[in-house]
Amino acid sequence: TAGITQAPTSQILAAGRSMTLRCTQDMRHNAMYWYRQDLGLGLRLIHYSNTAGTTGKGEVPDGYSVSRANTDDFPLTLASAVPSQTSVYFCASSVGFSRGGEAFFGQGTRLTVV
Amino acid sequence: GENVGLHLPTLSVQEGDNSIINCAYSNSASDYFIWYKQESGKGPQFIIDIRSNMDKRQGQRVTVLLNKTVKHLSLQIAATQPGDSAVYFCAENRGIQGAQKLVFGQGTRLTINP
Repeated sequence: TAGITQAPTSQILAAGRSMTLRCTQDMRHNAMYWYRQDLGLGLRLIHYSNTAGTTGKGEVPDGYSVSRANTDDFPLTLASAVPSQTSVYFCASSVGFSRGGEAFFGQGTRLTVV
Repeated sequence: GENVGLHLPTLSVQEGDNSIINCAYSNSASDYFIWYKQESGKGPQFIIDIRSNMDKRQGQRVTVLLNKTVKHLSLQIAATQPGDSAVYFCAENRGIQGAQKLVFGQGTRLTINP
């Protein structure tokens, strides 16, 4: 199975433009997440969704929005990109909290805002 | 405050030797502690987790130790192989409304010398 699929793999975006990072999972997991990874800062949670139709804010939600219309898809939108949003973005999914710490990550989207 | 950190940013070991990667945490409220492996250009991959009421858990070639008294977590890799070269992250799972809230440390880069 594919697991988690992210698109695009990389993107250069002009500041002020909008963009949606796509994420699809085929494992029928209830929970999905978006993280950003910056050098020296590890991974930080942006937004999460514990089931279709619900979303919540993580550690660094400002400047980002998400939706969860169905189980499989969890797009992340930058309404007006700024250079500080240059990062590698990872989408992940998990069965749920009761299964401990196991989450499945995509390959990442490398975003550069210029 | 929330802080998951690592004692050493890099670790070099000889192939065949055992590796020990350490992690300190400051928040005792987490229910699970987890280790992830991240190879270059890929997303993090779950290795092993340990529940907060345990002090040791073993997997295939890996052992995780949890010392709640000193808030210390370690990952031991037996008979280190070239494929073990990666960045290793410790993380805490605090849980959010049925989903995970993974708080990651900054990572330790493990390199294997032939």
